[in-house]
Amino acid sequence: GENVEQHPSTLSVQEGDSAVIKCTYSDSASNYFPWYKQELGKRPQLIIDIRSNVGEKKDQRIAVTLNKTAKHFSLHITETQPEDSAVYFCAARTDSWGKFQFGAGTQVVVTP
Amino acid sequence: EPEVTQTPSHQVTQMGQEVILRCVPISNHLYFYWYRQILGQKVEFLVSFYNNEISEKSEIFDDQFSVERPDGSNFTLKIRSTKLEDSAMYFCASSGTSGGSYNEQFFGPGTRLTVL
Repeated sequence: GENVEQHPSTLSVQEGDSAVIKCTYSDSASNYFPWYKQELGKRPQLIIDIRSNVGEKKDQRIAVTLNKTAKHFSLHITETQPEDSAVYFCAARTDSWGKFQFGAGTQVVVTP
Repeated sequence: EPEVTQTPSHQVTQMGQEVILRCVPISNHLYFYWYRQILGQKVEFLVSFYNNEISEKSEIFDDQFSVERPDGSNFTLKIRSTKLEDSAMYFCASSGTSGGSYNEQFFGPGTRLTVL
């Protein structure tokens, strides 16, 4: 089955700097890659996603890149702010309505 | 904006007891999921449900677990005889039918299950 690896497990950045989180997946049939943000004690919330027919997607300060050949995708947060502090999970899915296979999560801490 | 809701927010139970975790998915969604997250670990898939039957289940979802959609709005996860290792946050999620193959799963706020 699909296996998703996520790095780093923790990431500390100064406010205003950029943060990059990387994920790799094992199943070449995976075709949808969402990123979820989970604040302490709250539900995971989708912040951006990318489909396998797209190489990059951007939404304001957040961008995701996908390299299908290498089977990895990355989340980029620019101009980080304290409210970006949270745990970020990447995920992969092979079937249209199937399960998500999540990465282990990255604790991002943005210090003022 | 519609949201997935879950009750209770926190459930404490004794080992060996049965628990039922409840979820109300977004009303026009057809696909439902349960995930769990042991403290400090990744979110793990348990089961998916569509058209009143299980679509897929993980190795975690053994005979002690069952799911049901009893009344067209609720979606429940039952653990028949809880073990200490069942202590986790359980998330319900649902997906809609807005067309296309790529649809977000909307997560509920979770139920924290503590087995003593």
